[in-house]
Amino acid sequence: GENVEQHPSTLSVQEGDSAVIKCTYSDSASNYFPWYKQELGKRPQLIIDIRSNVGEKKDQRIAVTLNKTAKHFSLHITETQPEDSAVYFCAGHNAGNMLTFGGGTRLMVKP
Amino acid sequence: DGGITQSPKYLFRKEGQNVTLSCEQNLNHDAMYWYRQDPGQGLRLIYYSQIVNDFQKGDIAEGYSVSREKKESFPLTVTSAQKNPTAFYLCASSIVPTLPYNEQFFGPGTRLTVL
Repeated sequence: GENVEQHPSTLSVQEGDSAVIKCTYSDSASNYFPWYKQELGKRPQLIIDIRSNVGEKKDQRIAVTLNKTAKHFSLHITETQPEDSAVYFCAGHNAGNMLTFGGGTRLMVKP
Repeated sequence: DGGITQSPKYLFRKEGQNVTLSCEQNLNHDAMYWYRQDPGQGLRLIYYSQIVNDFQKGDIAEGYSVSREKKESFPLTVTSAQKNPTAFYLCASSIVPTLPYNEQFFGPGTRLTVL
């Protein structure tokens, strides 16, 4: 089955700096890679996703890149703000139509 | 935050008891899922259902059971066979699992504590 690994597990940045979270996946048939943000005590919410036929996608301060050959994808947050502090999860959607989640990254943005 | 609801928000259980967590959605989604989240860890799939009256085991189904008698409802029972049930439980739903690029929408979660 699919295995998704996520790094780092914790990330601390200064407000205004950029943050990068990386994920690798094992199933070459995976074709959809969403990123979820979970604030403390709340439900995960989709913030951006990318399909396997696209190399990069941007939405304001957030971008995701995908390297199918290397089987890794990354989340980039620019000009970080304190409200970006949360746990971020990557996931891979494989041929079995299931999402396999990474272990999560706790991002802390210091004012 | 409407669309998919879970109850109760907090649940306390004595060892040896079965408990049932509720999940309801009014999004007309075919697929529903149950995940377990432990502190500092990712989401692990317990069970999923792609259609009424059918469900499949996920990665950590042992000690859990589900039913899907209605499209809107997917209750999860945590049985006494589950050795370490204390966790945060998340229910999710998506439109049609056979289509690609399906966003999963999550409920607010139930925090279960075994006393």
